Amino acid sequence: DVKVTQSSRYLVKRTGEKVFLECVQDMDHENMFWYRQDPGLGLRLIYFSYDVKMKEKGDIPEGYSVSREKKERFSLILESASTNQTSMYLCASSAGTGSGEQYFGPGTRLTVT
Amino acid sequence: AQTVTQSQPEMSVQEAETVTLSCTYDTSENNYYLFWYKQPPSRQMILVIRQEAYKQQNATENRFSVNFQKAAKSFSLKISDSQLGDTAMYFCAPAWGNMLTFGGGTRLMVKP
Repeated sequence: DVKVTQSSRYLVKRTGEKVFLECVQDMDHENMFWYRQDPGLGLRLIYFSYDVKMKEKGDIPEGYSVSREKKERFSLILESASTNQTSMYLCASSAGTGSGEQYFGPGTRLTVT
Repeated sequence: AQTVTQSQPEMSVQEAETVTLSCTYDTSENNYYLFWYKQPPSRQMILVIRQEAYKQQNATENRFSVNFQKAAKSFSLKISDSQLGDTAMYFCAPAWGNMLTFGGGTRLMVKP
């Protein structure tokens, strides 16, 4: 089974702090994704990566950056956390070819106070 | 831009009954896949069912089936013999290339 893990289930940070969310997948997938989930808005794509050191902006990249130094690990960085970044963050991975099915991590609920 | 609409923010169904969740989308693509994902209170997103757009036959997975109308760009999910464990958020997500586009979700409550 594909396993995608995220470093924290719950995280509380203060405004202005730098925040790192880590995601690791164990299936040698080429593609990795970071989403933000808010009620009524579904999942919105922040960034994705299709290869090591490669990254592409999604629909809502402002205020975020990412890092992919190894194939299995994809990090989301909030350079200076703000209260409007309080949300659920989901990481996913998928194979480079095929149906596009994505496998998700358990999510990190981030609260910025 | 490709959009996905789930017109029912919340639904409820009695245990053992059947419920249908709606999804419509807009795309100019011809070949793609469509997915329904389930997110229970544990928050883990789980794939429920997958449909290939070039296949006319509707996908079925145990109690879950879809009604895929390609021309109408409609992809509804039917859950038969609903169980308490089906209580969850359900997301419709067509895939174009490597990208999924998610609808806003339908919160389904199964009542005993």
